Amino acid sequence: GAVVSQHPSRVICKSGTSVKIECRSLDFQATTMFWYRQFPKQSLMLMATSNEGSKATYEQGVEKDKFLINHASLTLSTLTVTSAHPEDSSFYICSASEGVLPQHFGDGTRLSIL
Amino acid sequence: GENVEQHPSTLSVQEGDSAVIKCTYSDSASNYFPWYKQELGKRPQLIIDIRSNVGEKKDQRIAVTLNKTAKHFSLHITETQPEDSAVYFCAASRVGGADGLTFGKGTHLIIQP
Repeated sequence: GAVVSQHPSRVICKSGTSVKIECRSLDFQATTMFWYRQFPKQSLMLMATSNEGSKATYEQGVEKDKFLINHASLTLSTLTVTSAHPEDSSFYICSASEGVLPQHFGDGTRLSIL
Repeated sequence: GENVEQHPSTLSVQEGDSAVIKCTYSDSASNYFPWYKQELGKRPQLIIDIRSNVGEKKDQRIAVTLNKTAKHFSLHITETQPEDSAVYFCAASRVGGADGLTFGKGTHLIIQP
């Protein structure tokens, strides 16, 4: 089946640090990748949608300068949380689609900002 | 945009009994409705999905029903087992894979032995 690899699985860093999270589709070409955020005991919220070679589309309320998304190839998308603060601590999950459903989720990255 | 409501937030059932979780959606253009099971700290796992051209789909102990007119869909789990305990999320999107999913708030299913 389709596999999506997400790294790192866990990050703990100081406030003000920028953190990069990678999302790779291992055995298919992901024309579209999605980034979700999940706070403790809450649901997954779509942050942005990225298509290979074009700018990401951000959901309302998500700061594009804060959460930089790059989708430079059909197998890799990255999310960079710039100047992270404690309120950015969350579970970030990517998913990838090859143009048909369902989406395939990565294992998620637990980000903790001290 | 799409809004998905999910009920109940917590559901406790005796092992062997059935569990039903209900969701409603707002966007009539949505036509793909997956259900996910998520264990603590892990990624959501797709357990069943349905598209708007069918009203019901079943996979062993799990079934999903869809009422397009009323814009609601439900997850049915029969003969519940302890390993069914988890948080379940419904979601909605448009077919095509280019749209992100809008999730419900989740249901914590507890199977009492």
